[in-house]
Amino acid sequence: AQKITQTQPGMFVQEKEAVTLDCTYDTSDPSYGLFWYKQPSSGEMIFLIYQGSYDQQNATEGRYSLNFQKARKSANLVISASQLGDSAMYFCAMRTGANSKLTFGKGITLSVRP
Amino acid sequence: DSGVTQTPKHLITATGQRVTLRCSPRSGDLSVYWYQQSLDQGLQFLIQYYNGEERAKGNILERFSAQQFPDLHSELNLSSLELGDSALYFCASSRAGRDYEQYFGPGTRLTVT
Repeated sequence: AQKITQTQPGMFVQEKEAVTLDCTYDTSDPSYGLFWYKQPSSGEMIFLIYQGSYDQQNATEGRYSLNFQKARKSANLVISASQLGDSAMYFCAMRTGANSKLTFGKGITLSVRP
Repeated sequence: DSGVTQTPKHLITATGQRVTLRCSPRSGDLSVYWYQQSLDQGLQFLIQYYNGEERAKGNILERFSAQQFPDLHSELNLSSLELGDSALYFCASSRAGRDYEQYFGPGTRLTVT
């Protein structure tokens, strides 16, 4: 069975600094995908970034990058130059094989300080 | 705005009642997914439809059912509601061949009293 673990307590970062949100995963399937979603206080889920297990390079999307370390089964999200609007809950998720369903971690709260 | 719409935004109902949540996927998306987000269970996958047919099933209770119609909109029916069914229900959609990109709707917040 697949599992996503997000154990960091609430994270705080100063505006304009970089922050890393941790995610570890567990699966026996060699084919999988890893995702990060942002959930602001308004409640919607916003897709941020995707990394496939066979992708050779770490995914990047604007200020977001995914630090994918396959041997350690970690998929940390790095947000560069934090903005006040980045304050939200962040979820790491995974899908495995041909299965489209996403398995989510419990989420991490990020607060950006001015 | 993801392009996925969900109605209603909020729903308050009593135990034992039945409700229907509606989702319209992004234009061109054939897959619809339903997720439940509650404080104790977190975010859980319920069910997926692809072009009208059930594709995958997750932790969906027997009291819950869903369907996807020919125009690709989907409905999630929740019956014999219990207090524990209070949650945020999300619909997501994805394009054929790109199911790794699931775009979520704004959610329907269900409160069972």
